[in-house]
Amino acid sequence: RKEVEQDPGPFNVPEGATVAFNCTYSNSASQSFFWYRQDCRKEPKLLMSVYSSGNEDGRFTAQLNRASQYISLLIRDSKLSDSATYLCVVDSGNTPLVFGKGTRLSVIA
Amino acid sequence: SAVISQKPSRDICQRGTSLTIQCQVDSQVTMMFWYRQQPGQSLTLIATANQGSEATYESGFVIDKFPISRPNLTFSTLTVSNMSPEDSSIYLCSVGPGGLGGYTFGSGTRLTVV
Repeated sequence: RKEVEQDPGPFNVPEGATVAFNCTYSNSASQSFFWYRQDCRKEPKLLMSVYSSGNEDGRFTAQLNRASQYISLLIRDSKLSDSATYLCVVDSGNTPLVFGKGTRLSVIA
Repeated sequence: SAVISQKPSRDICQRGTSLTIQCQVDSQVTMMFWYRQQPGQSLTLIATANQGSEATYESGFVIDKFPISRPNLTFSTLTVSNMSPEDSSIYLCSVGPGGLGGYTFGSGTRLTVV
């Protein structure tokens, strides 16, 4: 089983749609979780950290389910500018960050 | 969060040659990380560079192929040695954790070996 798994997509959604990405991780000792955004030919940039209680930042909501080893990212009211690849990243503390392969989102006018 | 200046942004190199990539950070950081991102793939850690000690390499990466320097707390270089077309990739440096526990990345070096 891969350490961090994501649906590669692409997800093609119309503007204004709600879209959800899922990510599963295999290391139960993982401590911190993040969603990064990577635009084409650009470096990854931190979108949001994921907390046990779930957290929201504007149109973005992240949730963590430790029992199921599952992380999600929900984007509401999608904008054209949300088109990017979204990387699920897991930090187990003493080991290197583990990156998922990313989920590609295309928001269409 | 830290700001990283990485250069070159891209290069096309002949096989058998070497390329040195530089990363300059606007603040002092204990650890700097070097990643590779091959086309369509996610990021793979090459090594962790600590100032004043040898870099720690991940499985599958060796110092002779990817020598790293870390002369001070704001600067590091990664050299890709004796390049082959299989080394064509994006190379990124990173520092962290910073605020919110996240990591900051340089803008990347897109390397093509011909």
